Amino acid sequence: GAVVSQHPSRVICKSGTSVKIECRSLDFQATTMFWYRQFPKQSLMLMATSNEGSKATYEQGVEKDKFLINHASLTLSTLTVTSAHPEDSSFYICSARAHREAGNTIYFGEGSWLTVV
Amino acid sequence: GNSVTQMEGPVTLSEEAFLTINCTYTATGYPSLFWYVQYPGEGLQLLLKATKADDKGSNKGFEATYRKETTSFHLEKGSVQVSDSAVYFCALSPSNQAGTALIFGKGTTLSVSS
Repeated sequence: GAVVSQHPSRVICKSGTSVKIECRSLDFQATTMFWYRQFPKQSLMLMATSNEGSKATYEQGVEKDKFLINHASLTLSTLTVTSAHPEDSSFYICSARAHREAGNTIYFGEGSWLTVV
Repeated sequence: GNSVTQMEGPVTLSEEAFLTINCTYTATGYPSLFWYVQYPGEGLQLLLKATKADDKGSNKGFEATYRKETTSFHLEKGSVQVSDSAVYFCALSPSNQAGTALIFGKGTTLSVSS
C-alpha cells in the first residue's frame, strides 16, 4: 500500500542551528502534503499545507520564516526549522493525500523527533 | 466550523474486555471520518475510515459506523488485547479535495492489561 516516509526519525541539534526534515511519498504522487506538530500527550496541530510548486499555506500562529516548507516535487516535501530553540523540540509528522484512484486516503509518515539542546 | 470531540482518557481495560471510544463531530457538508492509531514513539496509522452516512469501517476487529443523525463515529472492539494499547485519534476530512487537511480530536489513550 501507499507509504509516506520521514527522515530523520530522530534528530538532536544545538540552539541556533537549522534542521531539515524530509517527507516522501514512496509509491504515489502527492500534490499536497501536510505538516503537523504534536506535543507530548496532545493531539496533532496542523502547521501548514504544502503545495507542489507553490508556497505553503501556514496556519494562524505558525511562523513561516521559522518553519520553512518546500515542496520540490510530487513526492518530496521538506520542513526546515531555522534558528532552532529548545521550545521547538517536538514530534513533527507529515502526511500526504493519495489521489482518488489510490483511494483518496491520507497517509502519515513515521514522524520525526526533534530535540533542541 | 469543523471539529472533532473524543472522550477523554485514559481508558484502562483488562484483556478481552469490550471497548468503546466515543467520537462526535461538527461539520458542514458531508465529511469523511477516520480513526487513526498511534503506538508509543511512532507515527499515525490509519485504522479505519468511512466516507458517507451509514458506512461501517472495520479493521483488525475494530469497527465504527458513520452516524449522520447523531454526528458520531464511535470506535468499538469486542475483545481487546494488550497489543491494542495505544492512542486513538478520531479525525474528519471536510472534503475529499487534495488540499484538505484532517481535523483531529485530542486522542484517547487506551491501556490494556493482561
